[in-house]
Amino acid sequence: QQQVKQSPQSLIVQKGGISIINCAYENTAFDYFPWYQQFPGKGPALLIAIRPDVSEKKEGRFTISFNKSAKQFSLHIMDSQPGDSATYFCAASKRSSASKIIFGSGTRLSIRP
Amino acid sequence: GAGVSQTPSNKVTEKGKYVELRCDPISGHTALYWYRQSLGQGPEFLIYFQGTGAADDSGLPNDRFFAVRPEGSVSTLKIQRTERGDSAVYLCASSPAGAGEQYFGPGTRLTVT
Repeated sequence: QQQVKQSPQSLIVQKGGISIINCAYENTAFDYFPWYQQFPGKGPALLIAIRPDVSEKKEGRFTISFNKSAKQFSLHIMDSQPGDSATYFCAASKRSSASKIIFGSGTRLSIRP
Repeated sequence: GAGVSQTPSNKVTEKGKYVELRCDPISGHTALYWYRQSLGQGPEFLIYFQGTGAADDSGLPNDRFFAVRPEGSVSTLKIQRTERGDSAVYLCASSPAGAGEQYFGPGTRLTVT
């Protein structure tokens, strides 16, 4: 059972544009929604995370939008740069119980110069 | 400080052989996680340690997989009678108190021929 569904699978954006990646989850017990960035040959690195009690969180050029009723959340990368080219994973967990992270299938983002 | 380290970085083995993968977590982190990442997919949870004990091993695919953390620091993932389907990147992560952020190592790429 795929508990976190992510789209699109791949995305090409022009430099300076907005990159948008969408995710949907099923388990309403999830209370922590992180996004990870992974470069080839490296482990995933936490980019930004949100709890379901807020609808939006912004850190620099990265923004998470969260819709609790629809069980959906998205990552927006403003002013996308070639250095942002990587694979992005949305994820969910029950942070309060220190449990495993459930990852989406990933989005390969390419920023064209 | 030093991040999570994993050794070896690459391991090639023949079908049916036994392998051990090692993880050195960030010093002081009490929680340690193992994930498996197949090509083009998100990481999948295998097992979680809190201290020396396995708090959740629900992700281990079968009894050929086993993990230990005897002193509450370094962990070893052991795979018996390897199969070609075991080929993947095995990721280790640690967190300071179980409910904190998970920090990932670079992974061990296992190839079973």
